[in-house]
Amino acid sequence: AQSVTQPDIHITVSEGASLELRCNYSYGATPYLFWYVQSPGQGLQLLLKYFSGDTLVQGIKGFEAEFKRSQSSFNLRKPSVHWSDAAEYFCAVGGGSNTGKLIFGQGTTLQVKP
Amino acid sequence: GAVVSQHPSRVICKSGTSVKIECRSLDFQATTMFWYRQFPKQSLMLMATSNEGSKATYEQGVEKDKFLINHASLTLSTLTVTSAHPEDSSFYICSALTPTGLMRTQYFGPGTRLLVL
Repeated sequence: AQSVTQPDIHITVSEGASLELRCNYSYGATPYLFWYVQSPGQGLQLLLKYFSGDTLVQGIKGFEAEFKRSQSSFNLRKPSVHWSDAAEYFCAVGGGSNTGKLIFGQGTTLQVKP
Repeated sequence: GAVVSQHPSRVICKSGTSVKIECRSLDFQATTMFWYRQFPKQSLMLMATSNEGSKATYEQGVEKDKFLINHASLTLSTLTVTSAHPEDSSFYICSALTPTGLMRTQYFGPGTRLLVL
């Protein structure tokens, strides 16, 4: 079955510290992978996406993610977290069928301590 | 990134009335849009796929007569919650899918908070 797992429901980091949010997927075909961020009461904003090519993808707001096919992972990283990064983060996978449909993980809530 | 708008951002209505939510793709034409529902502290639940010029495709368990979707143009999809009841209160989010190609991406609207009294 196709699925996305974000093992960490809630993560707290100190401002300035590094961040890694985990994402594992199960998908039978070539996966297209996305990370979105959602601030309270808002829609989702696209941080970055992976379709092919270089497995290290750069996104907005200083985020990057690395696609590791052998581990079925697409972890999101940021070297130095800012207080404004506190939000809900969703990993999603879509497929080569080109329907555009996404399967979302349950999300990870990021709290940033001053 | 691309911009998708939703209107209204917040609506309160009485039980039994209908509510229409608009989703607009502002800088690209979207033949496909999606409607999601999100409960507090949860992920997004796909309700339906809105296709321009044809009927929407509903996910299992979603009542198509309850949640009417119309995709009248390449930039506008509407979701009408008919005869709304308190259990329909939720956060509704739409997304627009970039045109056909290898890197199709969903861009999301800001969401609509619906409260049914």
